[in-house]
Amino acid sequence: NAGVTQTPKFQVLKTGQSMTLQCAQDMNHEYMSWYRQDPGMGLRLIHYSVGAGITDQGEVPNGYNVSRSTTEDFPLRLLSAAPSQTSVYFCASRTTGGKTQYFGPGTRLLVL
Amino acid sequence: AQTVTQSQPEMSVQEAETVTLSCTYDTSENNYYLFWYKQPPSRQMILVIRQEAYKQQNATENRFSVNFQKAAKSFSLKISDSQLGDTAMYFCATRRMEYGNKLVFGAGTILRVKS
Repeated sequence: NAGVTQTPKFQVLKTGQSMTLQCAQDMNHEYMSWYRQDPGMGLRLIHYSVGAGITDQGEVPNGYNVSRSTTEDFPLRLLSAAPSQTSVYFCASRTTGGKTQYFGPGTRLLVL
Repeated sequence: AQTVTQSQPEMSVQEAETVTLSCTYDTSENNYYLFWYKQPPSRQMILVIRQEAYKQQNATENRFSVNFQKAAKSFSLKISDSQLGDTAMYFCATRRMEYGNKLVFGAGTILRVKS
């Protein structure tokens, strides 16, 4: 098992550019989520999905879109990047009844 | 809404000594999970220990143990025989047990183990 994988590891964007952060898991987990980590604030939930075709907003969803067409993949889209989206992004997954979430290695995003 | 507070932004400990990281939380739920995650410089989030709120017995994982005080809504982490590899950011987090779709994290405590 590769677990939860994220690409890219690091990305620099200019304000207004768009990009997609990729997340995949090979554990057949129904539940997947995206968090952002900012200094002094811990991790905050952006969007989550309880299964293919089902997504919902988390705590800080503005400026981000998600879709879940397969169980394995849960991409996060930034349609028009802003400097406030400079952060480290983590994808996580677990089974529906699972107690513990498994995190990917993170993507560091810098928006200039 | 659930909230998690870690009142110690930074701590340090000598190698082989014991250190306790504090965490308090607020929740209206009766059934929930509590977690401690470790984030080393590699940024990987690593689960250290988990506690179910309905269990009175404190969870233990090797050198890591918790002091769970449900009435006080306190969940501290004790690291015994500290090692250099324990140097990391430590996050306390909580999640509802039923339909728990959000992990709520504290701001983190940076722990430095000194040789």
